[in-house]
Amino acid sequence: TQLLEQSPQFLSIQEGENLTVYCNSSSVFSSLQWYRQEPGEGPVLLVTVVTGGEVKKLKRLTFQFGDARKDSSLHITAAQPGDTGLYLCAGAGTSYDKVIFGPGTSLSVIP
Amino acid sequence: SAVISQKPSRDICQRGTSLTIQCQVDSQVTMMFWYRQQPGQSLTLIATANQGSEATYESGFVIDKFPISRPNLTFSTLTVSNMSPEDSSIYLCSVSDRVAEAFFGQGTRLTVV
Repeated sequence: TQLLEQSPQFLSIQEGENLTVYCNSSSVFSSLQWYRQEPGEGPVLLVTVVTGGEVKKLKRLTFQFGDARKDSSLHITAAQPGDTGLYLCAGAGTSYDKVIFGPGTSLSVIP
Repeated sequence: SAVISQKPSRDICQRGTSLTIQCQVDSQVTMMFWYRQQPGQSLTLIATANQGSEATYESGFVIDKFPISRPNLTFSTLTVSNMSPEDSSIYLCSVSDRVAEAFFGQGTRLTVV
C-alpha cells in the first residue's frame, strides 16, 4: 500500500512569514501533486511534479520533488491570509489513475 | 480540465436510510472516483467506478454499504446505505486526466442524525 505522510499537520503563522510543508512517501509515485482545499469546496490542483529533483514555482509558492521521487516540499514566501486552507499532497501512478492523498496540512495565516 | 457537478450538495438524513449521490461530468471519462472526507481529515478513496464493469473498492469499503453505478461515460452514482452518524462526511466525485491529475466537484456534505 502506498502511503503519504505530511508535516506539519497544523500551521498557524503571521502574515508575511515564510513556511514549508513536507510530504513523504513510502514508495515511488509516477507523479506527485499538491492541492489546496478551501472550506465547502473540492481540492484544486496547484502543481504536478514528475521528474526527480524538479523545482516548480507558482508566484509565491515553490514546489520541489526529491531526487528519489519519494518526497516533496511546498514553500510559501510571505504568506497572505488568502493562503489559508488545507494543503494536500497526493500521488498517482499511470495516466488516468486513481490519486492517493496525504493527510493534509491545515494552514492559517493571521493578518 | 473536466467540469464535475454533484448533487445533492448537502443533505441531512435519518439513520438507517440510504442516500444516492449523483455525479455528472462534462466529458467522457473512462474512470470516475469516489472519495470520502470525514470532518477535519483528508480524502480517502472509496472506489473506482468503471463503465461497463463493477466498481473496484478500496480496503475497508464494501459494495453492500457503498453501491456504485456507472451507466455511461459521463455519469456515476454512489449510494450510502443504512446510514449511521459515522457516515457523516463530505463525499466527492473525481476524474483524472492523462497525467493523473484529479479534478473534483464541490462535493456532497452528508449529515446523519
